[in-house]
Amino acid sequence: EAGVAQSPRYKIIEKRQSVAFWCNPISGHATLYWYQQILGQGPKLLIQFQNNGVVDDSQLPKDRFSAERLKGVDSTLKIQPAKLEDSAVYLCASSYLAEEQFFGPGTRLTVL
Amino acid sequence: QKEVEQNSGPLSVPEGAIASLNCTYSDRGSQSFFWYRQYSGKSPELIMSIYSNGDKEDGRFTAQLNKASQYVSLLIRDSQPSDSATYLCAVNPGGGADGLTFGKGTHLIIQP
Repeated sequence: EAGVAQSPRYKIIEKRQSVAFWCNPISGHATLYWYQQILGQGPKLLIQFQNNGVVDDSQLPKDRFSAERLKGVDSTLKIQPAKLEDSAVYLCASSYLAEEQFFGPGTRLTVL
Repeated sequence: QKEVEQNSGPLSVPEGAIASLNCTYSDRGSQSFFWYRQYSGKSPELIMSIYSNGDKEDGRFTAQLNKASQYVSLLIRDSQPSDSATYLCAVNPGGGADGLTFGKGTHLIIQP
């Protein structure tokens, strides 16, 4: 069974630029999560989707971050404009049995 | 504010010994608990889940949960150098498909 796929793996941008990340969850997993992991910290939930719908986006900085999950499968997370403090690894995870979450390889973002 | 606390370490353990990792959480109503292993530069990998008080064993790993004390632990028996990693404790506050709240992780070093 293929795991969670993410791209790109690495991205370097200047502050105030925009960037987008893509995630393809494990086949059949209805729930998809985006986490942000800053160096030395544990992952922090940004947004959770159940099929097409947003379940929890309470920690998403909505003035600059947006996410969508069209057709209930792939998802994209966008940052516009990026700030220096957005430098982090962006992790996508998915779950089927509602409890256990499996992570993709992540996208390492550096904002200069 | 729901919090998960872990000693950041590093925790240094001789090869072949038992490594003991601890975690406390603030939300008394939390339902499910997870341990993830994260190698440097990699994404978190699920190694144990536990939902009820007591012990749960899987190979060299044992998870222990005490909801009254709001305490979760992970024991690694016969520690190997390949166990050297950061171990993240994660809590699902509401059960079901909720997003996880992570601790900052404990850096474990197994000394050959």
